[in-house]
Parts: sequence; structure tokens; C-alpha cells
Amino acid sequence: GDSVTQMEGPVTLSEEAFLTINCTYTATGYPSLFWYVQYPGEGLQLLLKATKADDKGSNKGFEATYRKETTSFHLEKGSVQVSDSAVYFCALSDPGGSNYKLTFGKGTLLTVNP
Amino acid sequence: GAGVSQSPSNKVTEKGKDVELRCDPISGHTALYWYRQSLGQGLEFLIYFQGNSAPDKSGLPSDRFSAERTGGSVSTLTIQRTQQEDSAVYLCASSGRTSEAYEQYFGPGTRLTVT
Repeated sequence: GDSVTQMEGPVTLSEEAFLTINCTYTATGYPSLFWYVQYPGEGLQLLLKATKADDKGSNKGFEATYRKETTSFHLEKGSVQVSDSAVYFCALSDPGGSNYKLTFGKGTLLTVNP
Repeated sequence: GAGVSQSPSNKVTEKGKDVELRCDPISGHTALYWYRQSLGQGLEFLIYFQGNSAPDKSGLPSDRFSAERTGGSVSTLTIQRTQQEDSAVYLCASSGRTSEAYEQYFGPGTRLTVT
């Protein structure tokens, strides 16, 4: 079945540091890929998405590129801020299945210190 | 506009009791999902509704769990004879048609604690 593996946290960085959170996936079809973010005390929010190979999703300074050859969708940001502290979830949706359910990774807790 | 809303935000119940969790999706969204977020299992899909089609119940962990969606809008997730392992945050999400179908918008969740 479909699965998502993302790097385990927690990740602690200083403000303005470079961020990478690795994510790889296994899917039977051609999935769409997502990063969701959960800020403290809040619900899940879609951060960015990519629906086909070589697409780059971007939002709020975060980027991720859909790499079919390596089945990866790594999240990057060039300069993190304290306000980026949150839990980040990589997810896929396989439109070849019977529904568009999301399969999530386990989440990575990011803490950014001033 | 209004997002997905869920109620109650918190629910504490005794083992063996039944609970009902409610979800109001974004107006006009035809698809509705329930997920469960727990420390041990992460985020898991439970059930999916699309329009008037039969729901996809493939993620429900046991027959104590059921859900319905009335009038293609509001959904209720019912857990009968609750167990301590049911303690989790229950998340509802909705999405629109076709090209929007990939984007799911989540509610704030209901935190269920079974004592």
C-alpha cells in the first residue's frame, strides 16, 4: 500500500538557518504530494502541494520539488523564523485509488530559536 | 469564508460510553473525510464521503466506529463502547470537486479522552 516516510525529529534550528526535512514515498500510482503544517494549538493547514513529477510547490518561503526518480518531496526553506516552529507532515494522495484520502508521514517537530 | 468546524473541541468520557463527534464542512464541498491523530499511530484515515455515493469505510478500526453524513453536509462520527485506545484527536476535512479534490481543508479537531 501507499506509505510516506519522513525524517524523524525533533529538529532544532537557530533563526535564519537553512531547513531541510526529508520525505520519501511509496505509491502504486502517480500520487499528488503535500506538506501540511500544524502550528501549536491549531489545526492542520496545507502548506504546499505538487501534483506531477518535477512540479515545485512553494509557499511562505518553503519549497518542495516532486522527484519521481527518487520518490521524494523534501521540504526546504532558506532562512527559518521563530514563527515557523510547528509540526510538519508530508502526505500523498493517490488519485488512482477509490478516494483521495491522504496518507501521512509521522510528522517532524521543528523548533526555531531566536 | 467559514472553514471546517468541529464540535465539541474536547470530550472526556468514561470507558464503555458512546460518543458522537460532529463536523460541519465548508459550504459546497462534496467530499468529507475523517482522520484520527494519535501519538502512537500518527494521522490515520478513517472514512470518506463523496456526494451521495456509498462511503468508503476502509479505515475504520473496528465495528464500534460508524459515521453518517446527512443531506450531503454535516457528518457525525459515532464511537460506541469507547475504549482507552480510542483516545486521540479526531480530525474532519472537506474538499471540493475535480481540480480542487486534492486539497483538503481541516477542522480544528475534537480531542477525545477516554478515562
